[in-house]
Amino acid sequence: DAKTTQPPSMDCAEGRAANLPCNHSTISGNEYVYWYRQIHSQGPQYIIHGLKNNETNEMASLIITEDRKSSTLILPHATLRDTAVYYCIVPSGAGSYQLTFGKGTKLSVIP
Amino acid sequence: GAVVSQHPSWVICKSGTSVKIECRSLDFQATTMFWYRQFPKQSLMLMATSNEGSKATYEQGVEKDKFLINHASLTLSTLTVTSAHPEDSSFYICSALGPGYNEQFFGPGTRLTVL
Repeated sequence: DAKTTQPPSMDCAEGRAANLPCNHSTISGNEYVYWYRQIHSQGPQYIIHGLKNNETNEMASLIITEDRKSSTLILPHATLRDTAVYYCIVPSGAGSYQLTFGKGTKLSVIP
Repeated sequence: GAVVSQHPSWVICKSGTSVKIECRSLDFQATTMFWYRQFPKQSLMLMATSNEGSKATYEQGVEKDKFLINHASLTLSTLTVTSAHPEDSSFYICSALGPGYNEQFFGPGTRLTVL
């Protein structure tokens, strides 16, 4: 998988937007960026994925830079239930679905 | 979204016994399923990839004779930990990839404790 770099931890005030960055400078042109999160002692949960364009769903928005070397996951109104480890993953090669989990970013939403 | 279940959610067993963990896709057919292991305070590590009707592909360092994987149908994969030892105690998580889906859907995990 293309290597991704994320900050180990972040804090966010409840109700505010949480912006989680990810660097993936070695990403290839046909590789997607995926975001998952894992709440303590649970299985990971899919959040969103994208290739070039910005994406939005009911959970979050994904902003990918024009050169595709970095992206930002945005949780528009963070709640306490959003406290989790967030993983940014770039599976290798088109059609590859194998996920390699790094250490992710531990997001703590503060009341 | 698609739902994946695992059974049991937790299990405690004696050293030397075998434990079977089931992974089911509840509302879709999964052509490919994945098994991961997660030790405390560590990230998920892929153990193996299984495609329905064929042998699983194991990651380097994962013993295929110890971790038996069966993916006999499009909705069920099983992981059997044979002759379990305390060092096999871990959180085992499965995921499923359905045709037409671009993402993996994860089960809730199974906590295995070997005494």
